[in-house]
Amino acid sequence: DMKVTQMPRYLIKRMGENVLLECGQDMSHETMYWYRQDPGLGLQLIYISYDVDSNSEGDIPKGYRVSRKKREHFSLILDSAKTNQTSVYFCASSFRDRDSGNTLYFGEGSRLIVV
Amino acid sequence: KTQVEQSPQSLVVRQGENCVLQCNYSVTPDNHLRWFKQDTGKGLVSLTVLVHENDKTSNGRYSATLDKDAKHSTLHITATLLDDTATYICVVGDRGSALGRLHFGAGTQLIVIP
Repeated sequence: DMKVTQMPRYLIKRMGENVLLECGQDMSHETMYWYRQDPGLGLQLIYISYDVDSNSEGDIPKGYRVSRKKREHFSLILDSAKTNQTSVYFCASSFRDRDSGNTLYFGEGSRLIVV
Repeated sequence: KTQVEQSPQSLVVRQGENCVLQCNYSVTPDNHLRWFKQDTGKGLVSLTVLVHENDKTSNGRYSATLDKDAKHSTLHITATLLDDTATYICVVGDRGSALGRLHFGAGTQLIVIP
């Protein structure tokens, strides 16, 4: 069924609270990503995971951490959320040998508001 | 510094009209370029990918071109429909594998009116 599922879709948290965003995929993709999308900016890569317990920082990892204990599941964790982490977060997945013909599959996004 | 610039930032057309979206980039190397469609409140969905110098692709009413010398791509939408209302995002990959980085444009917001 080629799908990337994100939970929750919407979340409001107070500054300083912890946030857990979860992502699952049913395509056995090795590689998974977390991006954030802010108005007027292109998607920014937070973390990339090449497989279970093989995670690398993206361009804006500060304030975030990730966990990948199963190939089909990738979590984004915000310890002590800040107001500037208000954003829409997208999870994506692809095959590791992602030649130009293999695209990213995106989830529908998790909209986080930190007050 | 933004390495992928899209224009226009937004565009309003009447249903049935054609439109052209532009993407200029400075990413090096430029392995491939992909256009995505993002409906409001949804994720990105791939429309087409361009790989080679002077590539042209067609996917129904969507067609795209790539000029690697000029580092420029266009997305043409013919006979627009109301469902074409969305943000169109240009993405340039610097390698062909997941080890490479993807560089995202901020998107062109297309609104199709009756």
